[in-house]
Amino acid sequence: SQQGEEDPQALSIQEGENATMNCSYKTSINNLQWYRQNSGRGLVHLILIRSNEREKHSGRLRVTLDTSKKSSSLLITASRAADTASYFCATDRGGNTGKLIFGQGTTLQVKP
Amino acid sequence: DAGVTQSPTHLIKTRGQQVTLRCSPKSGHDTVSWYQQALGQGPQFIFQYYEEEERQRGNFPDRFSGHQFPNYSSELNVNALLLGDSALYLCASSLDERGIFYEQYFGPGTRLTVT
Repeated sequence: SQQGEEDPQALSIQEGENATMNCSYKTSINNLQWYRQNSGRGLVHLILIRSNEREKHSGRLRVTLDTSKKSSSLLITASRAADTASYFCATDRGGNTGKLIFGQGTTLQVKP
Repeated sequence: DAGVTQSPTHLIKTRGQQVTLRCSPKSGHDTVSWYQQALGQGPQFIFQYYEEEERQRGNFPDRFSGHQFPNYSSELNVNALLLGDSALYLCASSLDERGIFYEQYFGPGTRLTVT
């Protein structure tokens, strides 16, 4: 069963704009991770945020976590055509054992 | 430093056959997890291997089995293939350090097509 749900399912923006994707989950977690996947290939790890953290940055990426609302958001600033991909959030469902539960993903298209 | 590698890249099998997929973890990692990703879906956890034993398992039938070797590499075996087993199979490795979990690094995947 899917733990996370990403919103929106699909997003299309122009190069240079910001892209925001949201993820909601159902049970308590130890951490939440965001991954990127290009054209059905392997997943690339973007950011891990732990349950005691509220915000984390990595380059043009900003992730927030609200454990009271069981939600997270991924913001990509100044998007580029190369950011076109599917983005997934994944949670460990509280066990801290590495059994990741993924959502269905957000497909982002960045038009040049 | 090599990342996670998987072989083969693509595979076509017939219903009822058996298949073995292979994974080598990132250097320094000791834990290997396998995921199945159907087209248009997020990955689903199959099982995880640590210290050569299956540590936890997702909701997959016994037709799915695995193995981890002393060098931490791993195999995923699927018996009696069904059409519904067609998917991208992803291997992920991580380091289990005194119960603290770190990021999982994924390989490029094996695309399995069952006809």
